[in-house]
Amino acid sequence: QVQLVQSGAEVKKPGASVKVSCKASGYTFTSYYMHWVRQAPGQGLEWMGIINPSGGSTSYAQKFQGRVTMTRDTSTSTVYMELSSLRSEDTAVYYCARDKSRIVVVPAAIGYWGQGTLVTVSS
Amino acid sequence: DIVMTQSPDSLAVSLGERATINCKSSQSVLYSSNNKNYLAWYQQKPGQPPKLLIYWASTRESGVPDRFSGSGSGTDFTLTISSLQAEDVAVYYCQQYYSTPFSFGQGTRLEIK
Repeated sequence: QVQLVQSGAEVKKPGASVKVSCKASGYTFTSYYMHWVRQAPGQGLEWMGIINPSGGSTSYAQKFQGRVTMTRDTSTSTVYMELSSLRSEDTAVYYCARDKSRIVVVPAAIGYWGQGTLVTVSS
Repeated sequence: DIVMTQSPDSLAVSLGERATINCKSSQSVLYSSNNKNYLAWYQQKPGQPPKLLIYWASTRESGVPDRFSGSGSGTDFTLTISSLQAEDVAVYYCQQYYSTPFSFGQGTRLEIK
């Protein structure tokens, strides 16, 4: 069965960076897009970007351009999301989430979600 | 960027009654070459990640009860729960995946009246 297991909670100071990992199993890692979505406390869902685990190409929401980097390690079936220059507004649960569509077609709805990683930014 | 707007923000419905949530996109999410609407609906319960209910605007995800249905095309979409059950209390989100950024609606909180 598809599983996405994320790294544990982080506490960071303003201006620091955080790197969240997401280890995938139960399917062919390079065959499906991976999204990153975040959710601030008590707020809605915010799409951050997407990575093609096969070639490593990415597309980021304009809001995060210059601050976010999504990478992957095919040898361990793991994707990473690094967010830099953290501020208090970045306090949120960060989710990795696998697309329903195989990479031969365009991205589609999100079929599987990780458990979420709480990142707290506080001085 | 496509802006997704849901209505209402919150909704209280009696058990066994119908619940209807609306979602409007700022531009069409209908791809003319394949006649598919790039629109999904998710359910999120407290402390859990979202769960996919509907994709392509009206295709129910495997395992989702048939009381959940999606409809609409172009810019206007609806999620309907035909007979509300206690376990349906949650926040519901629509999302477009027509063009990046794949934006979500602000969410609709569904409660029991």
